[in-house]
Amino acid sequence: DGGITQSPKYLFRKEGQNVTLSCEQNLNHDAMYWYRQDPGQGLRLIYYSQIVNDFQKGDIAEGYSVSREKKESFPLTVTSAQKNPTAFYLCASSRGAINTGELFFGEGSRLTVL
Amino acid sequence: SQQGEEDPQALSIQEGENATMNCSYKTSINNLQWYRQNSGRGLVHLILIRSNEREKHSGRLRVTLDTSKKSSSLLITASRAADTASYFCATDSYNNNDMRFGAGTRLTVKP
Repeated sequence: DGGITQSPKYLFRKEGQNVTLSCEQNLNHDAMYWYRQDPGQGLRLIYYSQIVNDFQKGDIAEGYSVSREKKESFPLTVTSAQKNPTAFYLCASSRGAINTGELFFGEGSRLTVL
Repeated sequence: SQQGEEDPQALSIQEGENATMNCSYKTSINNLQWYRQNSGRGLVHLILIRSNEREKHSGRLRVTLDTSKKSSSLLITASRAADTASYFCATDSYNNNDMRFGAGTRLTVKP
């Protein structure tokens, strides 16, 4: 079945460690996104990519990094520079630009800093 | 920053009743979408309404859009316990490549 796969579902990190969250899609979508969700809040955009080898910062990119070497993959690294990384992270994709249609979401990755 | 704001923040109803959720936004939009999120899961797209549309239906869902008031409403008719979830509105515009989400309405449907 086509869809977006995020892994791991749960991740624990010690302070000062970098962690990488995986996001893979087999929908043949050009655009991919990373959002952060905190309890009781909406989604905030971290990074997005509209095409391979290109990506743009969203509202809260500080302390995060991404790569887009393949169309199917858009991994997110949470670096030690991110001051408050405990959150629920959602990856999404869309066929074209974000203002042309719906987003398809993965099931999320919950990161907890110990 | 968030664009849409949902109202109410939480809503509790009995099975069979209708549920109405509202969304207000601040700047001109291209599309407005509604998404559903079950606890701890990803978001699922429900319906998209374009800025030149006023009403749209999909099954038990009815969405209205009033661009003069910068607001939208989502009506779920004949609610079921399985409709229990958080519902988010999201807006995009012609000028940027971002989709802004509100903080959501948490709907509880009691059997």
